[in-house]
Amino acid sequence: EAGVTQFPSHSVIEKGQTVTLRCDPISGHDNLYWYRRVMGKEIKFLLHFVKESKQDESGMPNNRFLAERTGGTYSTLKVQPAELEDSGVYFCASSLFGRGPDRYEQYFGPGTRLTVT
Amino acid sequence: AQSVSQHNHHVILSEAASLELGCNYSYGGTVNLFWYVQYPGQHLQLLLKYFSGDPLVKGIKGFEAEFIKSKFSFNLRKPSVQWSDTAEYFCAVNRAFRGGKLIFGQGTELSVKP
Repeated sequence: EAGVTQFPSHSVIEKGQTVTLRCDPISGHDNLYWYRRVMGKEIKFLLHFVKESKQDESGMPNNRFLAERTGGTYSTLKVQPAELEDSGVYFCASSLFGRGPDRYEQYFGPGTRLTVT
Repeated sequence: AQSVSQHNHHVILSEAASLELGCNYSYGGTVNLFWYVQYPGQHLQLLLKYFSGDPLVKGIKGFEAEFIKSKFSFNLRKPSVQWSDTAEYFCAVNRAFRGGKLIFGQGTELSVKP
């Protein structure tokens, strides 16, 4: 079974440019999460999809960040325009949806390292 | 406010030494507890988890953790570390019976000298 995949693995962009990160969850996982780790800090939650619906977007830092999950499969996270403080590693995670404890366990992708110069 | 605190940022041990990494949380309600590990160049992997029941949980690679509710703690232990345990370790919580977003600690970098 394939794990969570993310693309690209690295991205270097200039301030003011746009970047789109992609996450492909494990097949059959309806829960999809985005997290971010800024250097030296803890991993922080950004938002949570259940299928194509945004369940919780309380962690999104501002309106320069736009996440989508059309069709309930893969998700994209767009940053437009990028600022220096957006640099960090962006992780995606997925989990099963349902009533059992399986939904509590999240499987993480390798992350996308974003550098804004 | 919900938060997780890991006591050590960087721990250096020699092989065969015992390991204990501290984790305390502040959360308004019952929680699920996790330890994740990130080996160099790899993605985050689940080491062990606690949902309910026996507060002493065993994970992969000889790791265990004990949930002490009265202390809001979930410390990670291993009796004898190996060089291959060199990694960053993250404690995390989410809401019991609902799951959802994980709240992470700052991470502890473990370096094991051969």
